Amino acid sequence: SYVLTQPPSVSVAPGKTARITCGGNNIGSKSVQWYQQKPGQAPVLVMSYDNRRPSGIPERFSGSNSGNTASLTITRVEAGDEAAYFCQVWDSSRGHAVFGAGTELTVL
Amino acid sequence: QVQLQESGPGLVKPSETLSLTCTVSSGSISSYYWSWIRQSPEKGLEWIGYIYFSGSINYNPSLKSRVTISGDSSKKQFSLQVTSVTAADTAVYFCARGPGDAPYPFEYWGQGSLVTVSS
Repeated sequence: SYVLTQPPSVSVAPGKTARITCGGNNIGSKSVQWYQQKPGQAPVLVMSYDNRRPSGIPERFSGSNSGNTASLTITRVEAGDEAAYFCQVWDSSRGHAVFGAGTELTVL
Repeated sequence: QVQLQESGPGLVKPSETLSLTCTVSSGSISSYYWSWIRQSPEKGLEWIGYIYFSGSINYNPSLKSRVTISGDSSKKQFSLQVTSVTAADTAVYFCARGPGDAPYPFEYWGQGSLVTVSS
């Protein structure tokens, strides 16, 4: 089945830029979603269709997808951005959603 | 604002059947895709399946033999059953809504229901 690979952790200082990657075989041909999850809460959609921000998500969040890597970029990182971030695609060959293992974003 | 609420037993014995229900607070249930997703430390986020009230149900191939999703549009509810559970089925179970034209992205989520499989 299709596998998504994320780094377990990313650390960034407040005010700096964080980039979280999601690797997959020819992932650029798929639509990538990103979810933010804080402890004890449900995931929240922060990026869809590679680079579309849902209503209410700050412009500091952006997405890109090409080749074998998709990325979620957060500029001017704030303490409130500290969370786990999961990427997700639809594996059309098997007809099901696939999630990455998640990346813990730590704001130093 | 769409709200989803999972309900069901928090403890299930091994080999028995896990049953959960998701109740949708507002909006049409018939026009969207509704999924079950679970999360455990061992497996992370795992999509279980969806129901589209206008005419389709789809399951994760890895769970298909043990999972049934059904729905009752009059009650604005959909349900999950997982048979022959083991400790590996211990997880937080979420219900989630996709848009009207595809099962993803998962735009709205319930708060989650912890189900523990133990004797």
